[in-house]
Amino acid sequence: NAGVMQNPRHLVRRRGQEARLRCSPMKGHSHVYWYRQLPEEGLKFMVYLQKENIIDESGMPKERFSAEFPKEGPSILRIQQVVRGDSAAYFCASSPGQGGSYEQYFGPGTRLTVT
Amino acid sequence: GDSVTQMEGPVTLSEEAFLTINCTYTATGYPSLFWYVQYPGEGLQLLLKATKADDKGSNKGFEATYRKETTSFHLEKGSVQVSDSAVYFCALAGANSKLTFGKGITLSVRP
Repeated sequence: NAGVMQNPRHLVRRRGQEARLRCSPMKGHSHVYWYRQLPEEGLKFMVYLQKENIIDESGMPKERFSAEFPKEGPSILRIQQVVRGDSAAYFCASSPGQGGSYEQYFGPGTRLTVT
Repeated sequence: GDSVTQMEGPVTLSEEAFLTINCTYTATGYPSLFWYVQYPGEGLQLLLKATKADDKGSNKGFEATYRKETTSFHLEKGSVQVSDSAVYFCALAGANSKLTFGKGITLSVRP
């Protein structure tokens, strides 16, 4: 069973460009979480999605950031008009269900660098 | 809101030394508690978890006990190895199972 896959692993964008980060959850997992890790900090929750639904986006910046998890295909985190402060590692995690007893399995992350 | 506080790092130990990493939390209700480990350039791996008070999570020689009275979930290992060198994160699962993480602590183990 393949783990959570994220691509690209490294992404370089100039200020003002768009960044698209992809996450393929583990087989059978329909819950996806996105987290951001800024340098020297822990991970911060961004958004929680189930297939075709955004369940909780309380950690998403109000502008430029959006996320989706379509019926078919990977979950996408999209950052429009990137700025230097968006440089970070973005991790997604998937889970087979909701609740503290369900483990979240993390992908290897996408490291975004904005120049 | 929910929060997790970890002791400040980094921590450097000699091989076979005893390890304690402190973690306390603030949350409403009764969250599940986790320790994750991150090796350089990789994602997080679940090390252990506990879902209710007095539960002890254990894995690979690491242990942590869910202490509701002190709102703590300290990580311990009796004898660390060089291969344990990594960043360790304490976390809790709150509403919608979203994880709240501590800042993480870097552990370096010398041969």
